[in-house]
Amino acid sequence: NAGVTQTPKFQVLKTGQSMTLQCAQDMNHEYMSWYRQDPGMGLRLIHYSVGAGITDQGEVPNGYNVSRSTTEDFPLRLLSAAPSQTSVYFCASSNSLSASGNTIYFGEGSWLTVV
Amino acid sequence: GESVGLHLPTLSVQEGDNSIINCAYSNSASDYFIWYKQESGKGPQFIIDIRSNMDKRQGQRVTVLLNKTVKHLSLQIAATQPGDSAVYFCAGGGGNEKLTFGTGTRLTIIP
Repeated sequence: NAGVTQTPKFQVLKTGQSMTLQCAQDMNHEYMSWYRQDPGMGLRLIHYSVGAGITDQGEVPNGYNVSRSTTEDFPLRLLSAAPSQTSVYFCASSNSLSASGNTIYFGEGSWLTVV
Repeated sequence: GESVGLHLPTLSVQEGDNSIINCAYSNSASDYFIWYKQESGKGPQFIIDIRSNMDKRQGQRVTVLLNKTVKHLSLQIAATQPGDSAVYFCAGGGGNEKLTFGTGTRLTIIP
């Protein structure tokens, strides 16, 4: 059971470039989300999805797009990379979006540097 | 909304000793809390959770204590081992609210 799989693990981008972080889960979870993790801050929600074809903005959505064409996949796109988007990105999936009784499973992370 | 934080950014403990990592939250309506462990270069891993109708929950070598009066929870790790070295953070929320994550305490086990 692979759980949540993210690629790439590491990426360096130039300012203005675009790229897509891939995420896939094999637990048949309806809910998937993307977080960024920055020094001294807790995980912050970028975008999330409650099912195929449905996405919504989280706490810090600007500069990112997502789509959910299948239950398994939830890619995160950086439209025009900026140095402020240098961060570690985590994809996650869960049975529910609400806090109560919900265990969130995280991928291994994608380290992104924008120069 | 909820804010979740941790008391200390770092904690060093002698191998074999017990460690206690603390977390505070702001929203008295929060009814579910999780502790995660994050090893260097990896994603957060679920350790243990607790609902607000409980004061204490035990797992394998770990215990979570919840004090709703002062909005505080703690993670106790018994007989720490080198593999326990990691960043530990709590997350909390309630009802239909999404989880809010704390900033983390880096636990270092001294051989």
